[in-house]
Amino acid sequence: SQQGEEDPQALSIQEGENATMNCSYKTSINNLQWYRQNSGRGLVHLILIRSNEREKHSGRLRVTLDTSKKSSSLLITASRAADTASYFCATGLDSNYQLIWGAGTKLIIKP
Amino acid sequence: ETGVTQSPTHLIKTRGQQVTLRCSSQSGHNTVSWYQQALGQGPQFIFQYYREEENGRGNFPPRFSGLQFPNYSSELNVNALELDDSALYLCASSLEVSRGRLPYTFGSGTRLTVV
Repeated sequence: SQQGEEDPQALSIQEGENATMNCSYKTSINNLQWYRQNSGRGLVHLILIRSNEREKHSGRLRVTLDTSKKSSSLLITASRAADTASYFCATGLDSNYQLIWGAGTKLIIKP
Repeated sequence: ETGVTQSPTHLIKTRGQQVTLRCSSQSGHNTVSWYQQALGQGPQFIFQYYREEENGRGNFPPRFSGLQFPNYSSELNVNALELDDSALYLCASSLEVSRGRLPYTFGSGTRLTVV
């Protein structure tokens, strides 16, 4: 079963604009991870945020985590055509190896 | 350092047949997890192998089974294939000590079509 949902399901923006995707989850977590998937192929890890962290940055990526609302957001600044992909959040527990995934947001960057 | 490699990349099987998918983990990683991803969905955890033993299992029937070899590579076997087994099968490797604390390295997947 899916842990939560990404919102929106699909997002289409112009190149250069910022893209924001949200993820909600249902149970307690120790970490939340964001992955990118191009054209239904392998998943590429983007960023991991621990449950005791509120914000994390990596290049043009900014992730926030609000454990009280059980939600996270991924911001991609100054988007590029190469950012076109599906983005997934996955939650994990230190005591369990299983990652539980949302259904993903499909991001399209228009040139 | 090599990444995770999966084979084959694409496969077409007939309902009722059996299939074996293969995965070589990233160098230095001793744990392999398998996920099933249906079209338009997020991945679903099938099981994980560590030290050649199943270390955790998701909500999949026993006809989904696996192996891990001493070199940490792994196989996923599916018996009595059903049409709903059509999906992208992803293999991910990690360090056991990481549990859920470190990111997984995924392979590019095997696209299985059951007809």
